[in-house]
Amino acid sequence: KAGVTQTPRYLIKTRGQQVTLSCSPISGHRSVSWYQQTPGQGLQFLFEYFSETQRNKGNFPGRFSGRQFSNSRSEMNVSTLELGDSALYLCASSRREGVEKLFFGSGTQLSVL
Amino acid sequence: TQLLEQSPQFLSIQEGENLTVYCNSSSVFSSLQWYRQEPGEGPVLLVTVVTGGEVKKLKRLTFQFGDARKDSSLHITAAQPGDTGLYLCAGATSRAGSYQLTFGKGTKLSVIP
Repeated sequence: KAGVTQTPRYLIKTRGQQVTLSCSPISGHRSVSWYQQTPGQGLQFLFEYFSETQRNKGNFPGRFSGRQFSNSRSEMNVSTLELGDSALYLCASSRREGVEKLFFGSGTQLSVL
Repeated sequence: TQLLEQSPQFLSIQEGENLTVYCNSSSVFSSLQWYRQEPGEGPVLLVTVVTGGEVKKLKRLTFQFGDARKDSSLHITAAQPGDTGLYLCAGATSRAGSYQLTFGKGTKLSVIP
């Protein structure tokens, strides 16, 4: 059974640009959550999607957005990138919404120059 | 905002030693999870504790949930180099039917052969 797949693995952008990250959950998993991980702040919750609907949202500015498709794949978008957006972005999937066993992908390492 | 404080932040020990890491909060959680994250990878769930006072063992790892469900500890017996990694605790809370995980910043463990 394939795990959670995140693409791309690494990304380098400049300030002001926008970026789209992709996450394919484990087959049969309908919930996808996104987290930002930095050395200073640790893992911070961005949002959770279930059945194409955003169910929960963390305390991030509106520049951070996401969506989920009918096949449960999810994308997150960050517009007008800032230096502070440099981080490891992790996607996690689970069978249903809410908290249960989360399976994380390897993440997308975003560097904003 | 629920905060989870993990201590120590860094720990470097010799192979064969015992160690304990702590996860503390002033908030009550419905459950608490422990993850291990290796460099370049996403976190992997080790255990979920649900009941106050609960103790779970996973080979040489012993997890305990505090009686008041505000804190937890992870004890490793006879640490091995394969135990090296970032250990994260995450507390689960529910609000208006919506669940959310709050992560601590982690304890970075290095086991020296």
